[in-house]
Amino acid sequence: GAVVSQHPSWVICKSGTSVKIECRSLDFQATTMFWYRQFPKQSLMLMATSNEGSKATYEQGVEKDKFLINHASLTLSTLTVTSAHPEDSSFYICSATPGQVYGYTFGSGTRLTVV
Amino acid sequence: EDQVTQSPEALRLQEGESSSLNCSYTVSGLRGLFWYRQDPGKGPEFLFTLYSAGEEKEKERLKATLTKKESFLHITAPKPEDSATYLCAVWGSQGNLIFGKGTKLSVKP
Repeated sequence: GAVVSQHPSWVICKSGTSVKIECRSLDFQATTMFWYRQFPKQSLMLMATSNEGSKATYEQGVEKDKFLINHASLTLSTLTVTSAHPEDSSFYICSATPGQVYGYTFGSGTRLTVV
Repeated sequence: EDQVTQSPEALRLQEGESSSLNCSYTVSGLRGLFWYRQDPGKGPEFLFTLYSAGEEKEKERLKATLTKKESFLHITAPKPEDSATYLCAVWGSQGNLIFGKGTKLSVKP
């Protein structure tokens, strides 16, 4: 089945530093990947849509300069949280669709803690 | 506006006590309704896709059904390992999945 791999699973960083999260589609090509953020006990919030070879599309209220997205190949998208602050601490999840029948396949998520 | 509403927000069941989760949706031209299971600290895991009213899908103790306005996820004789948050989603008009807030299910032994 379609697999999306996300790395790292968790990361702790100091305030002011940057963190990169990788999302890979392992057995299918994904021209589009999606990045979500999830706060405790809340549902998934779409942050941005990552498009291979072009600029990402950000949802309203998401700072594009803070959350840098690069989708350089058909199997890899990266999310870089720049100048991280404690309020950026959250669970970040990526997804891609191997075909409309499956909806989205999700990565396992990255727990970011900024101290 | 495309919208997905799930109820209840939380559901506590005793092991073996069957129940149903509800997902109401508003979308122009349904192109698919999805159910996912999410365990704490994990990404959502695909369960079912439903496309048309009257359709049903089953997997172990779970059965998903679909009408023109809502979907139900029936859980028969649940076990503690069924405890998770269940998410419902539909393909929105803009081509992205729209999620409900989920139902957190707790099954006590």
